[in-house]
Amino acid sequence: AQKVTQAQTEISVVEKEDVTLDCVYETRDTTYYLFWYKQPPSGELVFLIRRNSFDEQNEISGRYSWNFQKSTSSFNFTITASQVVDSAVYFCALIPENGGFKTIFGAGTRLFVKA
Amino acid sequence: NAGVTQTPKFQVLKTGQSMTLQCAQDMNHEYMSWYRQDPGMGLRLIHYSVGAGITDQGEVPNGYNVSRSTTEDFPLRLLSAAPSQTSVYFCASSPLAGGANEQFFGPGTRLTVL
Repeated sequence: AQKVTQAQTEISVVEKEDVTLDCVYETRDTTYYLFWYKQPPSGELVFLIRRNSFDEQNEISGRYSWNFQKSTSSFNFTITASQVVDSAVYFCALIPENGGFKTIFGAGTRLFVKA
Repeated sequence: NAGVTQTPKFQVLKTGQSMTLQCAQDMNHEYMSWYRQDPGMGLRLIHYSVGAGITDQGEVPNGYNVSRSTTEDFPLRLLSAAPSQTSVYFCASSPLAGGANEQFFGPGTRLTVL
């Protein structure tokens, strides 16, 4: 089965706290691609990161970092020193190589950052 | 570049009516797709296309048709609208070079079926 699970439906933090959004995926393909997207209250979907299954290096981009662990099939996203502008719904997504480029999205995690 | 455009932004239909949601991209992307977003369910793939003349079904294709006569356009047709099709619809495109890439999304169409 191909599946993405984002177990946290909603998270609420106070500004400047660190927060980690969990993403667990399932696929039998050895080659696959993982993504994170952000959907702010305005509704548009914004790409954050792409990772292929052969690249397990963690990535940092400003206050954002991603931890990819094939051993646990997880691709977690951490926001350091959260800000109110980080309030959004965050989606993790999977594209297996043999799936005809079909994207499987998780249900999303809604993050509230309070001032 | 306009990116991915969708029309209309909002639409109200009565049960049984048909309509077409328009989607166009000007980035020469091979891959285009349609999703619906419902509360608590993320985005679910309706139909997708890997190039002009090629379409395939996604996870929730029933009640929808698509065609891809040009690289730029990928309209989604609702054949006979039902209240269960009330949702927000997103069109997306991406290049296929180098494997699966980030998708560029349109602004969405909010559809209500009464």
